[in-house]
Amino acid sequence: NAGVTQTPKFQVLKTGQSMTLQCAQDMNHNSMYWYRQDPGMGLRLIYYSASEGTTDKGEVPNGYNVSRLNKREFSLRLESAAPSQTSVYFCASSTRRRGGGQETQYFGPGTRLLVL
Amino acid sequence: SQKIEQNSEALNIQEGKTATLTCNYTNYSPAYLQWYRQDPGRGPVFLLLIRENEKEKRKERLKVTFDTTLKQSLFHITASQPADSATYLCALVSAGYSTLTFGKGTMLLVSP
Repeated sequence: NAGVTQTPKFQVLKTGQSMTLQCAQDMNHNSMYWYRQDPGMGLRLIYYSASEGTTDKGEVPNGYNVSRLNKREFSLRLESAAPSQTSVYFCASSTRRRGGGQETQYFGPGTRLLVL
Repeated sequence: SQKIEQNSEALNIQEGKTATLTCNYTNYSPAYLQWYRQDPGRGPVFLLLIRENEKEKRKERLKVTFDTTLKQSLFHITASQPADSATYLCALVSAGYSTLTFGKGTMLLVSP
């Protein structure tokens, strides 16, 4: 099992360009998440999808859109990139344990994005 | 406002000693708390979960305590090794919510 995979690993964009970050998991998890991690700010949730067909905003959704393409794949789109979106982006997935709640998350390796 | 605080300064200890990391929170009623390890250039990896009604949880050399009165969790690594050097993140889930909120993490450096 590959776990959670992300593409690309690195990307450099110019201000105003658009791009889509791809994420896939092969663990049959219901829930998927997108985070950004910045120095001194920690991990912040951008969007999440509790199950196939649903998406919800997290703490910092402005400037981003997401698509839960199917159970395996969850993409993050930057329509018009800004320097403030320079960050490391992590995708994660989880499944609800028996008895409810207590989800632990499995993270991908990250995408390092630089917006000039 | 809600806050999760982890010591921003790196913790430096000698090999063989016990490392203790702290996670404090305010204005949360966490249903459970998780600890993750993150190595440079990699995604976080889950280590331990503790529920609000549990005082302590152990896994091999790791121990987590959870004091809802003090609003604090302590994460201990006994007989620490240089390979334990990493950043450790605590994360909370509030009752009724399904998403994690992460602290900023504490870097642990274990010297031989």
